[in-house]
Amino acid sequence: DSGVTQTPKHLITATGQRVTLRCSPRSGDLSVYWYQQSLDQGLQFLIQYYNGEERAKGNILERFSAQQFPDLHSELNLSSLELGDSALYFCASSVGGQEYPPRYGYTFGSGTRLTVV
Amino acid sequence: KNQVEQSPQSLIILEGKNCTLQCNYTVSPFSNLRWYKQDTGRGPVSLTIMTFSENTKSNGRYTATLDADTKQSSLHITASQLSDSASYICVVSGGSNYQLIWGAGTKLIIKP
Repeated sequence: DSGVTQTPKHLITATGQRVTLRCSPRSGDLSVYWYQQSLDQGLQFLIQYYNGEERAKGNILERFSAQQFPDLHSELNLSSLELGDSALYFCASSVGGQEYPPRYGYTFGSGTRLTVV
Repeated sequence: KNQVEQSPQSLIILEGKNCTLQCNYTVSPFSNLRWYKQDTGRGPVSLTIMTFSENTKSNGRYTATLDADTKQSSLHITASQLSDSASYICVVSGGSNYQLIWGAGTKLIIKP
């Protein structure tokens, strides 16, 4: 157990729908990062939050949004889902995060596997 | 364009054998290079991180090397075990926007 908790582990939904993925960072970590990994592809950085504020943005679609709450958990909202959004979505956390990328690396959760049918 | 390319794409070896995975990058300026191990359906786990001044770093049976002049890195696995079966991802930090550029990974399969 890495200490980063992601729920749900699996999600199957239809095109056009909206889903919310949840991430609880490791205790003491202030930063949360979201990544997308499509089949046999490298991880694509989506967005980072540090202590409730957006810190860095990657290749995140306008249909996707995220937020980090006062208790530091984060949610990734995916709307108007398309077949191509099917992927593993990883959350990672780090102690720091005022800089991106984190100097000392981060800890990943086990991911949420999203299947859009 | 900042890129990280890994080879081979996949590799099958027998348990107990050694292997070497390659990573070439074009990221500039360069900050550091990391190797991650990703088990199927799991998040990546950090193996090593090397800065410009480091040319080798070990973590148990894993040894990473870095040649910043040729922009190449390798990950050598000694006496492979079945649990080494995973994807190994090279990640380079740098570029004008100081980003993390992820390679697509090498899928390693260890057979008994």
